Amino acid sequence: ETGVTQTPRHLVMGMTNKKSLKCEQHLGHNAMYWYKQSAKKPLELMFVYNFKEQTENNSVPSRFSPECPNSSHLFLHLHTLQPEDSALYLCASSQGRGDTDTQYFGPGTRLTVL
Amino acid sequence: TQLLEQSPQFLSIQEGENLTVYCNSSSVFSSLQWYRQEPGEGPVLLVTVVTGGEVKKLKRLTFQFGDARKDSSLHITAAQPGDTGLYLCAGRSTLGRLYFGRGTQLTVWP
Repeated sequence: ETGVTQTPRHLVMGMTNKKSLKCEQHLGHNAMYWYKQSAKKPLELMFVYNFKEQTENNSVPSRFSPECPNSSHLFLHLHTLQPEDSALYLCASSQGRGDTDTQYFGPGTRLTVL
Repeated sequence: TQLLEQSPQFLSIQEGENLTVYCNSSSVFSSLQWYRQEPGEGPVLLVTVVTGGEVKKLKRLTFQFGDARKDSSLHITAAQPGDTGLYLCAGRSTLGRLYFGRGTQLTVWP
């Protein structure tokens, strides 16, 4: 248990569906992150939020829409996804400062797009 | 893009053997982290190394940061089945961004 929870753990959706992934951290951290983990690729950083403000968007397609209503919660809204978007989506949180800043990851949501 | 190459990609060994996995880059990092990820879980931090040439030990695991802060190695002594997992290295750039390698999938058989 890392203090970061993600729901749902598994999600299967069609290309026309709309769904949302939820992340919650109980660590009092200021920064939250969305990563995509695909087979044969490094972990890809998607979005970064610091103090609820988006500070990084790594050229992520608009079919992925993040939302950070407060410093403890992070959502990833999904719509009209493609099969190649199937992956493990990981949320992480950290204090957000310094060379030794440690990111704490949730268990991920395994997404399958049919 | 600051690419981190990890080798080997897969490693399958018997319990009790020693092993070393590598993380290499042409870029300089201000720090480097090693994570272990088990099936169905997110990565969990094992260690952070900051100084070039630094060596850190965590029980049977020894981590080394290269003198030039471009590479790192992880050595496991007398591997156990509980060491099985995906080992990821992540380098922090001078601008603060964290870059991950693809990982080494280690399997230790009883």
